[in-house]
Amino acid sequence: TQLLEQSPQFLSIQEGENLTVYCNSSSVFSSLQWYRQEPGEGPVLLVTVVTGGEVKKLKRLTFQFGDARKDSSLHITAAQPGDTGLYLCAGRSNTGFQKLVFGTGTRLLVSP
Amino acid sequence: DSGVTQTPKHLITATGQRVTLRCSPRSGDLSVYWYQQSLDQGLQFLIQYYNGEERAKGNILERFSAQQFPDLHSELNLSSLELGDSALYFCASSVGGYDSPVGYTFGSGTRLTVV
Repeated sequence: TQLLEQSPQFLSIQEGENLTVYCNSSSVFSSLQWYRQEPGEGPVLLVTVVTGGEVKKLKRLTFQFGDARKDSSLHITAAQPGDTGLYLCAGRSNTGFQKLVFGTGTRLLVSP
Repeated sequence: DSGVTQTPKHLITATGQRVTLRCSPRSGDLSVYWYQQSLDQGLQFLIQYYNGEERAKGNILERFSAQQFPDLHSELNLSSLELGDSALYFCASSVGGYDSPVGYTFGSGTRLTVV
C-alpha cells in the first residue's frame, strides 16, 4: 500500500507569515497533485506536477516535485486568511492501475 | 459549483439500515470515483467506475456496493450500517480512467450520520 505522509498535521500562523507543507512517501509516483478543501466542500485541485524536480507557481503558492518523484512541497508566501483550509497531496501510482492516493492532510489556519 | 452533483447533502439513519448515495459526474467525464473521509482515516478510496464498468476497488467493505449507469451517474449503496460508517462520502469525476495526470473534480459530498 502506498502511503503519503504530510507534515505538519496542523499549522496555525498569523497573516503575512510564510509556511511550507511537506508530502513524503517511499513510493515513486508518476504525478502528484495538491488539493485544498474547505469545510463542507470537496477538495479542489490546485496543481499537478509530473516531472521530477518540477516547480510550479500559482500566485503566492509554490509547488515542487522531488527529483525522485517520491515527495513534494507546498510553500505559501505571505499567507492570508483566505488560505485557511485542509491541504491534501495526492500521488498517482507509478505501476498498475494509477488511482490517486491521498495524503494525510495538513490543516492550515491563518489568523488576521 | 464544480459540476459534480451529489445527493443528498446530509443523511441521518439508524444502525442496520441501508442508504443510497447518488452522484452525477461533470459533463464529459467518464470516470467516477467514490471516497470516504473520516477524521481519523483521511480520504480513503473506495471504488472507481469508467464508462459503466468497475475499474478499481480500494478499501470498500462487502456491505458497500456501487454501480455506474448508462447515463454515467453513479450510486453508492451502503447496507447494514454501523456507527463507524458515519463519515463524509465524496464522489469525484475525471475525463480519463487511469492513463493521464489530470486531476479529479469533487462534489460537495454527502455527510452520513448513523445513530
